[in-house]
Amino acid sequence: GQNIDQPTEMTATEGAIVQINCTYQTSGFNGLFWYQQHAGEAPTFLSYNVLDGLEEKGRFSSFLSRSKGYSYLLLKELQMKDSASYLCAVRDGDYKLSFGAGTTVTVRA
Amino acid sequence: NAGVTQTPKFRVLKTGQSMTLLCAQDMNHEYMYWYRQDPGMGLRLIHYSVGEGTTAKGEVPDGYNVSRLKKQNFLLGLESAAPSQTSVYFCASSYSQDTQPQHFGDGTRLSIL
Repeated sequence: GQNIDQPTEMTATEGAIVQINCTYQTSGFNGLFWYQQHAGEAPTFLSYNVLDGLEEKGRFSSFLSRSKGYSYLLLKELQMKDSASYLCAVRDGDYKLSFGAGTTVTVRA
Repeated sequence: NAGVTQTPKFRVLKTGQSMTLLCAQDMNHEYMYWYRQDPGMGLRLIHYSVGEGTTAKGEVPDGYNVSRLKKQNFLLGLESAAPSQTSVYFCASSYSQDTQPQHFGDGTRLSIL
């Protein structure tokens, strides 16, 4: 099966920066996605990486290294509304998505 | 434009009962998926469909059946519910399988007693 690891929880202060790491071992690779999921709600798409490097979208950035099986999501200028679970998902060789268990980020005032 | 709509939102069943969860999307997406989400675990793929009239097994298909008679609808059935199927079920759809992200419904919270 696929193996996707990310930390369970992280806490940071409002206005700070948090980096969520994701490591993966999958059968083939066709892209990596980051989703945000607020408690009791649906996951919503944040970012997509298929080539090595950094993708920036406003306060959120995502980085990928395919040779290391590694990605991170960087959240800058944290706001209270950023408190949520962040899901790392890898599209494998059969184009199916495998998800990590999610990282719960708590932003404190 | 509603996106992906799941019904019902909540349901409590007794062991052995059957039920069908409905997923409807209005984005003309070819691909549709059913996942379950359990505490401490990632979303796990139950079944998926690559187009109208097609279905395929995912990672955890046992105890579930699906049908895709119309492009916009994807039904998930539990023939004989078991307590191990207590979970939050999410439906998702996507335009393609390569670069496009999956769009998720709000989920169905199912408890089996």
